[in-house]
Amino acid sequence: DAKTTQPTSMDCAEGRAANLPCNHSTISGNEYVYWYRQIHSQGPQYIIHGLKNNETNEMASLIITEDRKSSTLILPHATLRDTAVYYCIVRVGYSGAGSYQLTFGKGTKLSVIP
Amino acid sequence: AAGVIQSPRHLIKEKRETATLKCYPIPRHDTVYWYQQGPGQDPQFLISFYEKMQSDKGSIPDRFSAQQFSDYHSELNMSSLELGDSALYFCASRGGSSYNEQFFGPGTRLTVL
Repeated sequence: DAKTTQPTSMDCAEGRAANLPCNHSTISGNEYVYWYRQIHSQGPQYIIHGLKNNETNEMASLIITEDRKSSTLILPHATLRDTAVYYCIVRVGYSGAGSYQLTFGKGTKLSVIP
Repeated sequence: AAGVIQSPRHLIKEKRETATLKCYPIPRHDTVYWYQQGPGQDPQFLISFYEKMQSDKGSIPDRFSAQQFSDYHSELNMSSLELGDSALYFCASRGGSSYNEQFFGPGTRLTVL
């Protein structure tokens, strides 16, 4: 799986958009970008994933650059409950039987400030 | 909606004792994962099962073993416990219509004294 690089920490004012970057310059053509977050000591939570098109769901938006070497997770209106460690994970997508385990890197600790 | 259930939520053991952690995946999920998260660390993959067969192994010590049963629940057995085994142990499941997502349980906090 491709290696990712994320900032160690970021702050965001409550109600503002949080933009979390991720570099994955060695990503392969069949690898997806996944985002998970972990609120203090809870189990990690899936947020969103994408291959090359921008994606949006009820939690966030994912913007992937055209060369796919980097991406940005956007939380449009951050709340205090969004304070968490955010993990950008690159791996092959599901294609049948197999493990598809997640390899967690260091992640970005996002602090949402009142 | 049903979530992943883990038991016990907290466990305290002495060195060299054994521990068994249990995981009940979301109904109709066919894949179970175990992850270990030490203090201040990121989650690390231990082992996974697909349709009751071991599908992959990560950094799981030889003192640990796991299996998935016919009802799809899984157990992680840990023997000769060491202080360094103190950690949060997460189980996750995947399958059904949400096959791209892993759904994590609340974790079991193991403390080895």
